[in-house]
Amino acid sequence: AQSVTQLGSHVSVSEGALVLLRCNYSSSVPPYLFWYVQYPNQGLQLLLKYTSAATLVKGINGFEAEFKKSETSFHLTKPSAHMSDAAEYFCAVSPGDHDKVIFGPGTSLSVIP
Amino acid sequence: DTEVTQTPKHLVMGMTNKKSLKCEQHMGHRAMYWYKQKAKKPPELMFVYSYEKLSINESVPSRFSPECPNSSLLNLHLHALQPEDSALYLCASSQERGARRLGGYTFGSGTRLTVV
Repeated sequence: AQSVTQLGSHVSVSEGALVLLRCNYSSSVPPYLFWYVQYPNQGLQLLLKYTSAATLVKGINGFEAEFKKSETSFHLTKPSAHMSDAAEYFCAVSPGDHDKVIFGPGTSLSVIP
Repeated sequence: DTEVTQTPKHLVMGMTNKKSLKCEQHMGHRAMYWYKQKAKKPPELMFVYSYEKLSINESVPSRFSPECPNSSLLNLHLHALQPEDSALYLCASSQERGARRLGGYTFGSGTRLTVV
């Protein structure tokens, strides 16, 4: 069965500091991986996706993620946090040729001035 | 147009009411989805429509009834709901069946439903 875990339900960083949100997955087939962001009272917005073309993926708003097969990880980073980055972040996996996207439990990011 | 539009944004309904949620997209996407999201939780898949046909029903109670009248429109009909059904209901679409081909979904902003 495929699953996604996100270490840390809540992460706080200072404005300007590095953002690191962790995601690990389990999948019996090569997965497609995604990071979504959800701002308060909003739907989910796709930040970036891994589709096997390149292991380092750049997304919107300065975020990037690196696919590490040996570690089954897809951690999200941003060099310098901005106040507007405060939101809920979901890692997700789409295993195989499948309709379903399985979401992780989410990490709430707070940015401290 | 690169949006998924959901109406209404907020809905309060009694347990004996009948109401409908509406979702519309004009991106030519042929797969559409309903998700339910409780506070501080990830979205949970309810239904998947592919080419206007229901392809997945995640064992959702019959008080939720989806409908896809055409390739741009998706409805969720609600009847005799319970207070525990209160949640954010999200609609999403993708280019075709299998989110991997697009690389993800486009989500609407959701309808926040409160059942009293």
